[in-house]
Amino acid sequence: DSGVTQTPKHLITATGQRVTLRCSPRSGDLSVYWYQQSLDQGLQFLIQYYNGEERAKGNILERFSAQQFPDLHSELNLSSLELGDSALYFCASSVATSGGSQYFGPGTRLLVL
Amino acid sequence: DQQVKQNSPSLSVQEGRISILNCDYTNSMFDYFLWYKKYPAEGPTFLISISSIKDKNEDGRFTVFLNKSAKHLSLHIVPSQPGDSAVYFCAASASGSSNTGKLIFGQGTTLQVKP
Repeated sequence: DSGVTQTPKHLITATGQRVTLRCSPRSGDLSVYWYQQSLDQGLQFLIQYYNGEERAKGNILERFSAQQFPDLHSELNLSSLELGDSALYFCASSVATSGGSQYFGPGTRLLVL
Repeated sequence: DQQVKQNSPSLSVQEGRISILNCDYTNSMFDYFLWYKKYPAEGPTFLISISSIKDKNEDGRFTVFLNKSAKHLSLHIVPSQPGDSAVYFCAASASGSSNTGKLIFGQGTTLQVKP
């Protein structure tokens, strides 16, 4: 158990819908990262927050947004969902803004029908 | 542009022998490297890491070697056990230059350890 929790574990929804994925980092970790794993793309970095502030952005679509709250949990919002958004979404956390090891949650499996 | 590459999609070894998983990178700004193990339907599990100021890091049965001039790293597992069977991902970050810990992952190598 990495100490990172993610909810829900599974999500099935329809095209055009909006969903919210939630992540709670390990106790004491200030950085939260979101990654997407799809069948053909491997693990891709989406976005990083550090202590409530956006720190880095990767290949995140404009339809996707995220935030980190004062209690350090983070939410990833996916809107106008398309079939191609079906993937595993992982959250990871680390103590610092850079360097150091990242610990991953169990992921949310999103299926868009 | 695949900045981190794991050229072997799969590897099969006998229990008790050494497993060597390889990873190549192209970005010379990468200064921190990690290996993760992943089972199906679970999140990646951190195994071991190495900073670019070192060329070797050891933790129990796991050793990571870094060759900066060749932009190559490898993970050695000795002795291999059937429970090591999983997908192994190499990851890298350019933490010093970008002040972000975002990881760039390789495509993974599936390790099968046969009893």
